[in-house]
Amino acid sequence: DTGVSQDPRHKITKRGQNVTFRCDPISEHNRLYWYRQTLGQGPEFLTYFQNEAQLEKSRLLSDRFSAERPKGSFSTLEIQRTEQGDSAMYLCASSPDGGVEKLFFGSGTQLSVL
Amino acid sequence: LAKTTQPISMDSYEGQEVNITCSHNNIATNDYITWYQQFPSQGPRFIIQGYKTKVTNEVASLFIPADRKSSTLSLPRVSLSDTAVYYCLVEGNAGNMLTFGGGTRLMVKP
Repeated sequence: DTGVSQDPRHKITKRGQNVTFRCDPISEHNRLYWYRQTLGQGPEFLTYFQNEAQLEKSRLLSDRFSAERPKGSFSTLEIQRTEQGDSAMYLCASSPDGGVEKLFFGSGTQLSVL
Repeated sequence: LAKTTQPISMDSYEGQEVNITCSHNNIATNDYITWYQQFPSQGPRFIIQGYKTKVTNEVASLFIPADRKSSTLSLPRVSLSDTAVYYCLVEGNAGNMLTFGGGTRLMVKP
């Protein structure tokens, strides 16, 4: 059981640069979520995939954010023209299809925008 | 989605039982109650899930009264390693924007 894997674990970038994060969910899980978490706050929902289809997007996900899951397996989250306010932990979670959601989270990618 | 309310923080001592209550007055008929635990620099980890009455696993118990407007996570005989943030989520099968509140910060002291 390899769990949910996220890469990189840490990313430091300069304001205005683009960054991309990768998430590899548990292999048999069809559902994939992205969350953002800042210090002292609970995770905030960003977006959700059912296989390769992006079914839900939060209003938090501005035009600078884009997420993909091209083959229904791994997913990427890209942030264009990063701002200091984008500094946060970006968490990925996956869930098996059917029934009530039970999320399995990765360890996250900590983004620092200087 | 039903909104949840939890205490911001709680303190306890090793070996004590800890009960964390979550209020969810607007819970819908098809909503389940799920609790997650989060340590610093890690993603949340599923603890327990239930619909009504009592659910118990190797980690915790979950008590849900008949009106389901609240739920209580019970951690028996806590240790220092149980120091974490605990989140209560209420969600059903319809809609998938699973929303975390601020959680309860549990500090276990020696």
